[in-house]
Amino acid sequence: NAGVTQTPKFQVLKTGQSMTLQCAQDMNHNSMYWYRQDPGMGLRLIYYSASEGTTDKGEVPNGYNVSRLNKREFSLRLESAAPSQTSVYFCASSDRQGPGNTIYFGEGSWLTVV
Amino acid sequence: GNSVTQMEGPVTLSEEAFLTINCTYTATGYPSLFWYVQYPGEGLQLLLKATKADDKGSNKGFEATYRKETTSFHLEKGSVQVSDSAVYFCALSDDYKLSFGAGTTVTVRA
Repeated sequence: NAGVTQTPKFQVLKTGQSMTLQCAQDMNHNSMYWYRQDPGMGLRLIYYSASEGTTDKGEVPNGYNVSRLNKREFSLRLESAAPSQTSVYFCASSDRQGPGNTIYFGEGSWLTVV
Repeated sequence: GNSVTQMEGPVTLSEEAFLTINCTYTATGYPSLFWYVQYPGEGLQLLLKATKADDKGSNKGFEATYRKETTSFHLEKGSVQVSDSAVYFCALSDDYKLSFGAGTTVTVRA
């Protein structure tokens, strides 16, 4: 009963390095999301993919890129990491569009940029 | 745009105390409202939701009623346990994206 799986769970990067966070869901959901969580700010949407083949910017897309590889997988890439990107990153998915749909979250990836 | 404002924490309670976390929202249209809970070191889990005015969501002893007239969705539990210690997030959705409040940290002491 995996749900949403994201890797790695922990990562330390040096400023300027690049990395990709991987996410996969096994619930056959159409929509997938990447959020970041910072103290006192709740979760903020970075990018989302309403369906396979589409991606759109959220509230805080600068410094990130995404790829919806297939229906199951949605990756987040930091091309040149900055200390401001130190955060906890959550991947999520939902089965349909429209209000009322439940979004399911992965366990999070703790990223530190030094 | 959409926004959610929830009571700032942290909140510290004794076991069996009554818990209320206030949440108000601003949205166009008719959003759905959610409470998510995050236990230490874990991701977010849906606690309850309500999709239209006057709906009451409930789960694990928690309740929240969608009040359109006051644009509120306050979370309540009558008797908290140590295991309820977590961060609680209020959120709204009027399409397929969620907008979150800042989160309220709740600590319940035995």
